[in-house]
Amino acid sequence: GEDVEQSLFLSVREGDSSVINCTYTDSSSTYLYWYKQEPGAGLQLLTYIFSNMDMKQDQRLTVLLNKKDKHLSLRIADTQTGDSAIYFCAVAQGYALNFGKGTSLLVTP
Amino acid sequence: DVKVTQSSRYLVKRTGEKVFLECVQDMDHENMFWYRQDPGLGLRLIYFSYDVKMKEKGDIPEGYSVSREKKERFSLILESASTNQTSMYLCASSLLDSSTNEKLFFGSGTQLSVL
Repeated sequence: GEDVEQSLFLSVREGDSSVINCTYTDSSSTYLYWYKQEPGAGLQLLTYIFSNMDMKQDQRLTVLLNKKDKHLSLRIADTQTGDSAIYFCAVAQGYALNFGKGTSLLVTP
Repeated sequence: DVKVTQSSRYLVKRTGEKVFLECVQDMDHENMFWYRQDPGLGLRLIYFSYDVKMKEKGDIPEGYSVSREKKERFSLILESASTNQTSMYLCASSLLDSSTNEKLFFGSGTQLSVL
């Protein structure tokens, strides 16, 4: 199946920008996704990007897609303590999504 | 809002027991999924269903079965629970969308402990 790779941990100071990176092996996905999981909760769709785009901005979130390098990133501007969570990159695999292992973002005051 | 409801938040079972995890969605979605989430391993797909009575194996189906008798309900069955099935189980659903947007909506999860 599809390999989706993410770094496991990221720590930033409140107010700084966070950048979470993801690489994948299969470029046939029409859409690529970022999900957020807060402690004790299920996954919540954060944003997604159409594979023909290279950038999508949604308030504090910016998604960058480099199809040539099969690299997806999520930038969170002005990171807040409420952004502390696990962030998952996901790409389509048939009907389902294949997820990376998740990046734990810790935001310190 | 899409609501995906998992019947139990926490379950404790004994080795060898038959375990049922239930999931219900209220948005008339065709697709439903069961994933398990383990530290350091992320989410792994166990089974999915794209229609009533239809099922497909995911990446790790061994030790599990599923049932989809009604469109809104997808059950995960552990025929004989083992300790290595202790995990967080996540149910999800999605619409069979002609735009091929596979957005998944997740339940809150069931933390299963097998002793």
